[in-house]
Amino acid sequence: DTEVTQTPKHLVMGMTNKKSLKCEQHMGHRAMYWYKQKAKKPPELMFVYSYEKLSINESVPSRFSPECPNSSLLNLHLHALQPEDSALYLCASSQVAAFQETQYFGPGTRLLVL
Amino acid sequence: SQKIEQNSEALNIQEGKTATLTCNYTNYSPAYLQWYRQDPGRGPVFLLLIRENEKEKRKERLKVTFDTTLKQSLFHITASQPADSATYLCALDQDSSASKIIFGSGTRLSIRP
Repeated sequence: DTEVTQTPKHLVMGMTNKKSLKCEQHMGHRAMYWYKQKAKKPPELMFVYSYEKLSINESVPSRFSPECPNSSLLNLHLHALQPEDSALYLCASSQVAAFQETQYFGPGTRLLVL
Repeated sequence: SQKIEQNSEALNIQEGKTATLTCNYTNYSPAYLQWYRQDPGRGPVFLLLIRENEKEKRKERLKVTFDTTLKQSLFHITASQPADSATYLCALDQDSSASKIIFGSGTRLSIRP
């Protein structure tokens, strides 16, 4: 099974809402990632988890809060987002957090902030 | 930090021809370079990885070259098919820690029948 799943597929939220994005993999990977992708732009790294610990935070605003409850799950908690946060949020995983490891991406959650 | 340029935003070619996409980088030479394919509304899919000591890598109709002198990678699709139409992204390690990936802006490839 080389699949990374993400829920929900689409999310519309107001600026005062709190919501969460969920990502799951069952490949035994110990590195998981969150990316943000705006239309016609490349994915931008937000967070890296390595062995369930946050190893990289790319200066992401605190209104995005990642969580890795176990080695298969990765969440992204959203609170007080801005309209400019509307984007495709991609989760990925790899064996370990090293560039030479293939990253497997999920289909993404399309987020719209009103 | 590393910068990447994929200097064709869009490329349109005839079915059956070879598509060649370019990825140029600045600053330090990466130890590895990857190519991904992304279809609209989907996550990127890994295609090939090439190491700095490899000049060329092949997989079926795909070929990647890596020239550390020119700081450039070329990605070729031979005998192109309409199903190859997608955006192709190159990716490098963002810094010498080699745990952060940075993507190029991508080239949108269209193969016309």
